Amino acid sequence: DAKTTQPPSMDCAEGRAANLPCNHSTISGNEYVYWYRQIHSQGPQYIIHGLKNNETNEMASLIITEDRKSSTLILPHATLRDTAVYYCIGTSYGKLTFGQGTILTVHP
Amino acid sequence: KAGVTQTPRYLIKTRGQQVTLSCSPISGHRSVSWYQQTPGQGLQFLFEYFSETQRNKGNFPGRFSGRQFSNSRSEMNVSTLELGDSALYLCASSWGRMGSTDTQYFGPGTRLTVL
Repeated sequence: DAKTTQPPSMDCAEGRAANLPCNHSTISGNEYVYWYRQIHSQGPQYIIHGLKNNETNEMASLIITEDRKSSTLILPHATLRDTAVYYCIGTSYGKLTFGQGTILTVHP
Repeated sequence: KAGVTQTPRYLIKTRGQQVTLSCSPISGHRSVSWYQQTPGQGLQFLFEYFSETQRNKGNFPGRFSGRQFSNSRSEMNVSTLELGDSALYLCASSWGRMGSTDTQYFGPGTRLTVL
């Protein structure tokens, strides 16, 4: 699995876009970038994943750089309920290797 | 469609005892993975079961074991409990397809406290 690096914490104002970066410079060609989030002691929640192309779903958008060495998760209109730990994971299959993630705090 | 369910949600045991945790995957999913989450080590992969066989294993001692039944439900067992086994135990299910992306969906977890 690719080693990922994320900032330990970020703040965002409610209603604004939250842009969470992730560095995965060692990612291999067949490894996908997955994003999960975990709200205080609940099970991690799947957000989005991608390989090369940018992806969008009802929760978020994922922008992957052309060289695939980094990506950005975008929550377009953050709400207080988006306060959580966000994990970026590079994996081809099977076990997910979680790092420390980014604690996103959304302020009123 | 019902999500991943785990029972019990909370458990208190004493050192030396053993414990069994249960996980029911999303209907149709054949792979179940188990993870341990502690404040010190974060989220760590324990093992994965697919079609009643352990397919992948993390770096945990043999006291941690699991099994999967024909209906894909899975149990994990921890024998001779230690204080350090206090953790949130999470299970995740997926279709189990090899060689392709296969999103894992997590249950709410079982909070185990060892006294």
